[in-house]
Amino acid sequence: GQQLNQSPQSMFIQEGEDVSMNCTSSSIFNTWLWYKQDPGEGPVLLIALYKAGELTSNGRLTAQFGITRKDSFLNISASIPSDVGIYFCAGPGSNAGGTSYGKLTFGQGTILTVHP
Amino acid sequence: DGGITQSPKYLFRKEGQNVTLSCEQNLNHDAMYWYRQDPGQGLRLIYYSQIVNDFQKGDIAEGYSVSREKKESFPLTVTSAQKNPTAFYLCASSPGPGRLAGGYNEQFFGPGTRLTVL
Repeated sequence: GQQLNQSPQSMFIQEGEDVSMNCTSSSIFNTWLWYKQDPGEGPVLLIALYKAGELTSNGRLTAQFGITRKDSFLNISASIPSDVGIYFCAGPGSNAGGTSYGKLTFGQGTILTVHP
Repeated sequence: DGGITQSPKYLFRKEGQNVTLSCEQNLNHDAMYWYRQDPGQGLRLIYYSQIVNDFQKGDIAEGYSVSREKKESFPLTVTSAQKNPTAFYLCASSPGPGRLAGGYNEQFFGPGTRLTVL
């Protein structure tokens, strides 16, 4: 089946630093989603990407849909303590006919710790 | 406010008992999903439903059952056949086909239920 590999697995940074993380797939994706999960809560959708090469921003967050359609990147600029959490990439799976029916595949997550 | 609610937030059960987790949404979304999350891992799909009175198995459906009698509700039953039921359970919904904002793909999550089986 499809697999998503996220790296790094964890990051420890100082407040104010920029953060970069990425996600790679074993197969082509038509959509990339980035979620953030606070401890003990459900994931919150940050950015959705629908086109190869697309670059989309949401405040201090910027995500890119890789040209090969097998990877995506998330950058956080000028990190703050509330950026702490787990960041997940996700993409739609497909059935034998190649159509996605909302079966998202999730990466294992990148755990971000921000020191004040 | 529109959103997804899950109750309760924490649930404790004795081994061998069935337990039902609630998920309700008032977003008018067609599709609903149940995921399981274990420590240090990503989310794994248990069951999903694209429309009322229809649902499909996900990747780890064994030991679980669902129903979708109403558009707003998608309860999950963790049965005694589930060998390792202690986990964080997340419900999600998405607009569905032909709808605005991402169709099936942009899924919105509830706050989760942490189930502990003693």
